[in-house]
Amino acid sequence: DIQLTQSPSFLSASVGDRVTITCRASQGIRSLLVWYQQEPGKAPKLLIDAASTLQSGVPSRFSGSGSGTEFTLTISSLQPEDFATYYCQQRSSYPVTFGQGTRLEIK
Amino acid sequence: EVQLVESGGNLVQPGGSLRLSCAASGFTFASSSMTWVRQAPGKGLEWVANIRYDGNEKYYVDSVKGRFTISKDDARNSLFLQMNSLRVEDTAVYYCARLCCSGANWQSTFEYWGQGTLVTVSP
Repeated sequence: DIQLTQSPSFLSASVGDRVTITCRASQGIRSLLVWYQQEPGKAPKLLIDAASTLQSGVPSRFSGSGSGTEFTLTISSLQPEDFATYYCQQRSSYPVTFGQGTRLEIK
Repeated sequence: EVQLVESGGNLVQPGGSLRLSCAASGFTFASSSMTWVRQAPGKGLEWVANIRYDGNEKYYVDSVKGRFTISKDDARNSLFLQMNSLRVEDTAVYYCARLCCSGANWQSTFEYWGQGTLVTVSP
């Protein structure tokens, strides 16, 4: 199984900050990496597919990059609604796996 | 508007069974591949099972193989998860989601999610 390790697991930041979350895969997955955002008590929301393809309706302050085993999700200027938990997920092979999540909180 | 509404979650004893349903609307269900993803209380996301749009391919995480069965009924625009031999560790909110993309281009990108249904397995 492909393991995904996110870092950090917890991040405290302020509105307006630029933040980066890293997702490392235990083996190469090309660009088959997806990012989701989950607010407390809600279902996950798709943000980015194929490592860097922003989904329709997702603000442009979100961006993704990477390929192979290392990927990043960057939020260029944090807004109050961005404080949530973020998950990466690989779709390269079964079983589909998720990272453990990165909880982003307001400083 | 795409809508996915899960139901069927309940409190059940270890060894028991439960059938989850997911009612879909706002898109062509027959050409859509679907998934179940679960989230234990306070924990992260765990993929459970995928079903191809035509029902001819199904995939499961090892921990549920032989116990859970994913299925879809296109006439009823519904997705199901039959869960047998339930264990305490199956306790979670279960989400259904639609995979991108329609028909033969399907892939495990979970585009639209329901709000989830809670399954609690406890003596």
